[in-house]
Amino acid sequence: QKEVEQDPGPLSVPEGAIVSLNCTYSNSAFQYFMWYRQYSRKGPELLMYTYSSGNKEDGRFTAQVDKSSKYISLFIRDSQPSDSATYLCAMNGGSNYKLTFGKGTLLTVNP
Amino acid sequence: GAGVSQSPSNKVTEKGKDVELRCDPISGHTALYWYRQRLGQGLEFLIYFQGNSAPDKSGLPSDRFSAERTGESVSTLTIQRTQQEDSAVYLCASSLAAGGYNEQFFGPGTRLTVL
Repeated sequence: QKEVEQDPGPLSVPEGAIVSLNCTYSNSAFQYFMWYRQYSRKGPELLMYTYSSGNKEDGRFTAQVDKSSKYISLFIRDSQPSDSATYLCAMNGGSNYKLTFGKGTLLTVNP
Repeated sequence: GAGVSQSPSNKVTEKGKDVELRCDPISGHTALYWYRQRLGQGLEFLIYFQGNSAPDKSGLPSDRFSAERTGESVSTLTIQRTQQEDSAVYLCASSLAAGGYNEQFFGPGTRLTVL
């Protein structure tokens, strides 16, 4: 079993839809949970991060972490064509610098 | 300010040749990381530098891979005797410090193709 599991999709939605992306993990030492967005042929860029369990909202994006279930989610409201990208979940432990990534989910938002 | 830069952006080489990939981190960032992204896979950690030292080389897949960092700045990842399975995008990232939460800023990557 990989440390981080993420459905690679692809996921195709119409503009304005609510998108739900998620990852599961097995390492209970993970404390920091991140979502990166990667456009084609570009490096990943940090979208949001959350420490431990809880919710965090930033504009149209909401990140949720449930440590008891080892499950994290990213919700995108009112999705736009510019949101079309690969979304990668990543996580690490408190003193651990190394990020462990999911495979990424390819999202296409159709106008 | 300038982000993380990597060169070359693309590299095509023949099996058995050596390649060098360069990373210029954000100025002042003490921590530097190399990751590999194979097609359809997530990023795979290779090596981490704190200053010019590499306390963790655990992700390097074989002894054909090596990396160095000089002047607490530029880093070079060298792959000797390249194999087709080395084909991937090699990503470099840097952060102000390591440990706890420190955002890792990624470069655009070097796309390596081994024929």
